[in-house]
Amino acid sequence: QKEVEQDPGPLSVPEGAIVSLNCTYSNSAFQYFMWYRQYSRKGPELLMYTYSSGNKEDGRFTAQVDKSSKYISLFIRDSQPSDSATYLCAMTYTSGTYKYIFGTGTRLKVLA
Amino acid sequence: NAGVTQTPKFQVLKTGQSMTLQCAQDMNHNSMYWYRQDPGMGLRLIYYSASEGTTDKGEVPNGYNVSRLNKREFSLRLESAAPSQTSVYFCASSEVAGTANEKLFFGSGTQLSVL
Repeated sequence: QKEVEQDPGPLSVPEGAIVSLNCTYSNSAFQYFMWYRQYSRKGPELLMYTYSSGNKEDGRFTAQVDKSSKYISLFIRDSQPSDSATYLCAMTYTSGTYKYIFGTGTRLKVLA
Repeated sequence: NAGVTQTPKFQVLKTGQSMTLQCAQDMNHNSMYWYRQDPGMGLRLIYYSASEGTTDKGEVPNGYNVSRLNKREFSLRLESAAPSQTSVYFCASSEVAGTANEKLFFGSGTQLSVL
């Protein structure tokens, strides 16, 4: 079983829709949770990060962490064609061993 | 703002050939990384360098070597390329490896094909 699971998609939505992207994980030691956005033929770029449980909002983006369910989400409001990209979740913890684990990514297409 | 720069962007090798992927960052970061990205496998860490003068194996180090040339530069070498090493390679950097809210900054990638 992978430590981090993410549906690969593709997920196609109309412009203006609310998008929900999700990851599940198995290791309860993960403390920090990140979302990276990767455009085609580009490197990933950090979009948001959150610590422990709760929500964090940044413009049209909201990151949500539910540690009890080992489940994290990224919501995109008023989605735009420019949001079309692959979204990778990532998580990390510090316990002597270096761990920075990425999900496989969900490909999102926002249709104009 | 250059950030993390990788060269080359594309490369085709024959099985058994060697090559070095170059990476440089201008953000004064202490830590640097090499990842490979394959369909369905996500990003997997090959090697990392927590600080100048140190290197450590990641999840998939076999067939690769690295050199942390100085604080700015971190190279990845394939001594005898194999078709299984066909992948997209990303270099990344961060302020300090192993901190709980570590943020990675990635280069644009090198698409490598081994025939």
